[in-house]
Amino acid sequence: GAGVSQSPRYKVTKRGQDVALRCDPISGHVSLYWYRQALGQGPEFLTYFNYEAQQDKSGLPNDRFSAERPEGSISTLTIQRTEQRDSAMYRCASSKTGLAGGSSYEQYFGPGTRLTVT
Amino acid sequence: GQNIDQPTEMTATEGAIVQINCTYQTSGFNGLFWYQQHAGEAPTFLSYNVLDGLEEKGRFSSFLSRSKGYSYLLLKELQMKDSASYLCAVRDRAAGNKLTFGGGTRVLVKP
Repeated sequence: GAGVSQSPRYKVTKRGQDVALRCDPISGHVSLYWYRQALGQGPEFLTYFNYEAQQDKSGLPNDRFSAERPEGSISTLTIQRTEQRDSAMYRCASSKTGLAGGSSYEQYFGPGTRLTVT
Repeated sequence: GQNIDQPTEMTATEGAIVQINCTYQTSGFNGLFWYQQHAGEAPTFLSYNVLDGLEEKGRFSSFLSRSKGYSYLLLKELQMKDSASYLCAVRDRAAGNKLTFGGGTRVLVKP
């Protein structure tokens, strides 16, 4: 079946603008995760959802960042008043079940959205 | 928080074996994952260890020692297509069970 998809794949925006990044997880996957990945580094956790509930948002850098998953499927990561330091690859991942209990289910990553703030 | 260390880069010859080490510090270890990431692509799952010992999966094996806070990924019979970054990720109960990734080890396979 289809994997995790993200849109747009590339986004160039001017400083101060708001951006919305979309993630469409694998059908039936309970959990959805957002990461940010700098070049040459591993993904950095931002937030995650089980169904529509946001379980952990401890990785969101500041209150300009927010995420939602209103119907427990597609998720949107929104960055308000973008700054140049927000430029990065934003990756979404999904898994069959969540983190509680320490499941062995792997996370499937999407292709990412490359955000450039000018 | 977690501290995950892995070498930045390794070079090996086609057909050889390479071992990528990962050391970590957690207060509530709850599993270790290895992912492969080719340049410009998404990470893909390779292995999962939660108990001590060796997990073998074809040409790839992963080892875990919880008492030492140590894991390695062993790549055998290296192929050119194995040139990629290999990411070690640890799950910690004390951090809400989310995954914390190391910086990745870039492996370059030469003919």
